[in-house]
Amino acid sequence: GIQVEQSPPDLILQEGANSTLRCNFSDSVNNLQWFHQNPWGQLINLFYIPSGTKQNGRLSATTVATERYSLLYISSSQTTDSGVYFCAVDSNFGNEKLTFGTGTRLTIIP
Amino acid sequence: DTAVSQTPKYLVTQMGNDKSIKCEQNLGHDTMYWYKQDSKKFLKIMFSYNNKELIINETVPNRFSPKSPDKAHLNLHINSLELGDSAVYFCASSRQGRGYTFGSGTRLTVV
Repeated sequence: GIQVEQSPPDLILQEGANSTLRCNFSDSVNNLQWFHQNPWGQLINLFYIPSGTKQNGRLSATTVATERYSLLYISSSQTTDSGVYFCAVDSNFGNEKLTFGTGTRLTIIP
Repeated sequence: DTAVSQTPKYLVTQMGNDKSIKCEQNLGHDTMYWYKQDSKKFLKIMFSYNNKELIINETVPNRFSPKSPDKAHLNLHINSLELGDSAVYFCASSRQGRGYTFGSGTRLTVV
């Protein structure tokens, strides 16, 4: 099946810093989503982005499907950005299912 | 309005018991899923249903039985609970081209 790798596994930053999270995937995809799992365990959908670039406030994402990677940018980090960020993909072949990466744990220090 | 709702949020039960988790979506999506998140935070698919038909069953013990009475509901019944079943279970739904929406999770603790 498709492999999804995220880097870095852990990131500790001070409030106000910017960060870039990376997601590499091993095959062509129908769907790519970025999720934020907050400290309460909720999985919040950030972006549906199988290709191209999207922005939502301080967050933006870019997926280069031909090179099989996606980047999530967080600018001017706030403590509420802390949590685990997951990249998940749905490959072009076989039954539709979302395969998750192992996540990046982001900790924002005041 | 909650898009994907699952109940209960927390479930603490003894080994050997049988329990159910319910899920409902009001998004009009055709496909619903159960995912399991283990203690290391890894999320893995268990089942998917499309229009009440089982599509994916990912090597899950047969103590786990999903049931979809209609395309807006997907319930998960677990028989003879074991300590290793402790995890967070997420329900999700999807529609092609629109992505997946997840419920808020059910934290199951087997003691």
